[in-house]
Amino acid sequence: QQQVKQSPQSLIVQKGGISIINCAYENTAFDYFPWYQQFPGKGPALLIAIRPDVSEKKEGRFTISFNKSAKQFSLHIMDSQPGDSATYFCAASNSGNTPLVFGKGTRLSVIA
Amino acid sequence: EAQVTQNPRYLITVTGKKLTVTCSQNMNHEYMSWYRQDPGLGLRQIYYSMNVEVTDKGDVPEGYKVSRKEKRNFPLILESPSPNQTSLYFCASSLGGGRWTDTQYFGPGTRLTVL
Repeated sequence: QQQVKQSPQSLIVQKGGISIINCAYENTAFDYFPWYQQFPGKGPALLIAIRPDVSEKKEGRFTISFNKSAKQFSLHIMDSQPGDSATYFCAASNSGNTPLVFGKGTRLSVIA
Repeated sequence: EAQVTQNPRYLITVTGKKLTVTCSQNMNHEYMSWYRQDPGLGLRQIYYSMNVEVTDKGDVPEGYKVSRKEKRNFPLILESPSPNQTSLYFCASSLGGGRWTDTQYFGPGTRLTVL
């Protein structure tokens, strides 16, 4: 049973455009939603995270939008740059009980 | 420098030949974990450890063993590797203490090929 469904699997965006990656979860006990960024040949690294008490969190060009009723959250990358080209993983956990479960990843390519 | 190290980074082996992938962290983290990454399947957890001598199965533990005798080390053991264990493996650590919201720090990965 896939607990976190991520889409799209791959994404090509023009430089300066907006990249949007979506995730949906099933477990209503999840209360922590991070995004990890992975560059080729490297391990994933935490990019940004949100708790369900807020609907949006912004850090620079990266924004997480969270819709608790729909059980969905998304990553928006504004003014996308070639240096943003990477694989992005959403994840979720129940902070008191369960380890992180990851989505299958989205391979983002930002082209000039 | 705070980091998670894995060795070897690349390994080609044959079916049935026991191997160990080492993982070490220098951040005094309580929690450590192993993942495998496969195309189209994302990151799947193999085993995790909340602290020394405490280990638990993740989503795909079959064919793997782990041990946590020291806080800093968490080796992954494949006693009889098979071709379906060909994958990219990541070790990760975090502060732990039951706080699943802690940032996980990943190692650089080990690419394993089983012929």
